[in-house]
Order: sequence, then structure tokens, then C-alpha cells
Amino acid sequence: SQTIHQWPATLVQPVGSPLSLECTVEGTSNPNLYWYRQAAGRGLQLLFYSVGIGQISSEVPQNLSASRPQDRQFILSSKKLLLSDSGFYLCAWRSWSGNGYTFGSGTRLTVV
Amino acid sequence: AQSVTQPDIHITVSEGASLELRCNYSYGATPYLFWYVQSPGQGLQLLLKYFSGDTLVQGIKGFEAEFKRSQSSFNLRKPSVHWSDAAEYFCAVGFGNEKLTFGTGTRLTIIP
Repeated sequence: SQTIHQWPATLVQPVGSPLSLECTVEGTSNPNLYWYRQAAGRGLQLLFYSVGIGQISSEVPQNLSASRPQDRQFILSSKKLLLSDSGFYLCAWRSWSGNGYTFGSGTRLTVV
Repeated sequence: AQSVTQPDIHITVSEGASLELRCNYSYGATPYLFWYVQSPGQGLQLLLKYFSGDTLVQGIKGFEAEFKRSQSSFNLRKPSVHWSDAAEYFCAVGFGNEKLTFGTGTRLTIIP
């Protein structure tokens, strides 16, 4: 069966520290992968998406970057976190069948 | 550009009452349509989806949605809500394998 793993579940990081959030998908190949952020009380903001290894599209200019080193691995990074990077980060994947997204369980990031 | 509107930011209903959450979209053609539910601190779970065919679609947890082409709407309904239905609900649209566009969400509160 197809599953998506996202970790860590919660993270508290000081301003200026680096960030690495990882997302992996099992049971499928060549998925489209997505990183979303939810700020408190707000909707979903698409940050990055990837249609293949090494292919990253950025939706908004920001302090974050993404990488896809393997087919089923999607990493969200930052060299120096800002307070405004706090939020709930969600990874999602979509198969080529045209189905909707399957979301990970999310990472709550608090920058202090 | 495509857009999704969920006009109700917050809805409160009594347990056992019926529910309708509104979703309107703007798109060049009939897109694929989705409803997701998010419990606090969790990822999004797919409730139901519409691709084509019967305009009334059934989903999980007793939810259904009706696609109305003339109104560009895809409203979510449930005949009798349970306290466990309290959550945030997101409508999303897309076409083929392109990335989905999400509405801003409707927060549902259930009162005894």
C-alpha cells in the first residue's frame, strides 16, 4: 500500500538556525511531491512542488528551499530560520493517475 | 487563473443537525473537485472527489457533495453531524495532473 512519512512531528528551533524536514513516500514510483505551509488560522500555501528527481518548482520567494535527491524523497530546508517561518508544514504526494493528494501528518515548526 | 472560494470561514451547527459547506470555483473547464478534512494538528484527509459522471458523490464518514456545473459549485453536505465532525474543511480543484488549488477552508464547530 502507499504511505507517506513526514518527520519530525514537532520542532522548536531558534532564529538563525538551519532546518531540514524530510518526507518520504512508499508504495509508488515517480510521484508528484508537494510542500505546503499553514500559518495559524490561515489556509494552505504551496511552497514547492516536484515532478521528478532534481526538479523543483518554487511558488513563492522565501527563506526556504527544497530538494528531491531520490524519487520518493522530498526535503525542505533553510540555512537560517526566521520567526515568520513558524507554521505547520505538510508534505503531499500525487500519483500520475490524476487522483487527489495524499498528505503526511505534518510538522509543527516553532521558531523562537 | 483558477480560484476556489469557500465563503464561510466558520460555521457552528448543533449535533444532529444537517450541514452544508459551500465551495465555488473559477476554472476554464470542469476541473477535478475534492473535499478534504483536517483535524487539529493533523494532515488533510480526502473525504471525496469528483472527476466525471454522477454529479452527486458519496464520500467517507457519511459526507456527500453535489457538483453543479451551472453554479460552478461543489458543496459538501451531511444529513446529521456528529461531534467528531468538528474540524477544518478544504475544497480543492485541479485538472489532470496539475497542482491543486485549495480554498481557504471552513472551520466547523459542533455544539451539543
